[in-house]
Amino acid sequence: EVQLVESGGGLVQPGGSLRLSCAASGFTLSTFWMSWVRQAPGRGLEWVANINQAGNKYYVDSVKGRFTISRDNAKNSLYLQMNSLRIEDTAVYYCAREVTGWGFANWGQGTLVTVSS
Amino acid sequence: EIVLTQSPATLSLSPGERATLSCRASQSVSNYLAWYQQKPGQAPRLLIYDASNRAPGVPARFSGSGSGTDFTLTISSLEPEDFAVYYCQQRANWPPYTFGQGTKLEI
Repeated sequence: EVQLVESGGGLVQPGGSLRLSCAASGFTLSTFWMSWVRQAPGRGLEWVANINQAGNKYYVDSVKGRFTISRDNAKNSLYLQMNSLRIEDTAVYYCAREVTGWGFANWGQGTLVTVSS
Repeated sequence: EIVLTQSPATLSLSPGERATLSCRASQSVSNYLAWYQQKPGQAPRLLIYDASNRAPGVPARFSGSGSGTDFTLTISSLEPEDFAVYYCQQRANWPPYTFGQGTKLEI
C-alpha cells in the first residue's frame, strides 16, 4: 500500500526557515515524479514544486529562489527546504506522488506551516 | 499560466440528485485535466484523469467529460459521502500545474 507521511511543519517567524519531510512507503520514491502542493487556510490548492526521476526540479514562480525540493533515495524520502518564509507561505503542505498520465494519484495527510510574528 | 475557472462556487443539492460541475480553462488543455475530491480535514483524492477516466476505486456514479477548454464532472446520483469540495487541475502546460478554485457541493 502506498503511504506518504509528512512532518516538519510548525510556527516560524517571517524570514525564517523550515524543512519539511515526506516519508514514502509501498513504492520506490525515486522512480516517480514527486510534488509538493500547498493549501492556505480556507483556500484552494496550489502546486509548489516537483522533482523527477532524473533529479530535475521545477517550481512555481512565487517560491523560486526560496524553496528547494530534494530527495534521499536511501531513506525513500522527499524534502522541501523553505527559506525566507513569508506570511503568505502559511498553508498545509502536502506531498503527492504523480502517476504519469494521471495526475496526483497519492497524497500524504499534510503538515501545517504557519508563518507569523 | 493556464487559469482554470470552476462554476458554480457552491452547489446545493440533495442526496439522489444529479450534480454537474464545470471547469473552464483559459486556453486549451486538450484532455489533460483531472478532478479531485476533498473532504474537510482530509487530503484531496484523485477521481478522474485525462478528462474522462476514473481512477481506481472511484464509483461509477462519477464521470468526466470535455476537451479543449470546457470540462464537466457529473455525479449521477448523490450519496451522502459525496458532499465535499471538488477541484479541477491541468497538466497540459506546466510549470506550473494549476488548479481551479474549487466547487463546494453542499447538502
